[in-house]
Amino acid sequence: QQQVKQSPQSLIVQKGGISIINCAYENTAFDYFPWYQQFPGKGPALLIAIRPDVSEKKEGRFTISFNKSAKQFSLHIMDSQPGDSATYFCAASRGSTLGRLYFGRGTQLTVWP
Amino acid sequence: GAGVSQSPSNKVTEKGKDVELRCDPISGHTALYWYRQSLGQGLEFLIYFQGNSAPDKSGLPSDRFSAERTGGSVSTLTIQRTQQEDSAVYLCASSLGGARQETQYFGPGTRLLVL
Repeated sequence: QQQVKQSPQSLIVQKGGISIINCAYENTAFDYFPWYQQFPGKGPALLIAIRPDVSEKKEGRFTISFNKSAKQFSLHIMDSQPGDSATYFCAASRGSTLGRLYFGRGTQLTVWP
Repeated sequence: GAGVSQSPSNKVTEKGKDVELRCDPISGHTALYWYRQSLGQGLEFLIYFQGNSAPDKSGLPSDRFSAERTGGSVSTLTIQRTQQEDSAVYLCASSLGGARQETQYFGPGTRLLVL
């Protein structure tokens, strides 16, 4: 059972556009939500993370929006660049499972120049 | 400093053979994780080591899978009697102290192909 559901599976965006990736979860015990970025042939790397006590977190061109009541969170990439082309994974963790992360299935983003 | 390293980078084996995958975590990191990445399936948790505590093995898919961590550092993931469905990228990650909200640093993975 996929505990974190991610959409879309793939996304194509023009350079300068906004990329939006959505995730949803059911387990209300989740209380930490990181996003990871993965380039081909590399391991995932932490991009940005949020805790449910805030509704939005911004780091440069990357913003996480969090809706606790809807149990949804999303990643927005502003002014998307070809270098942002990668696979993005949302994830979640909860206290009873310590550091274990539950990942979404990933979104392959392609930014056309 | 050096990141998480994994070896081999690629492994091709025949069905029924045993394989060993190695992970060298970042020096000083006490927590180590193994995940499996199958095409279109995201990252699936396999096992978690934290210091001298008993590992969390709840993600291992069958008793053909086992892992150990020697001296609190290097870890080896062993798959016995490999099956074609074991083909995937096996990722190792480490974090400083194993706290829930720490950054996990991933290695480049071992790509396993079972023929």
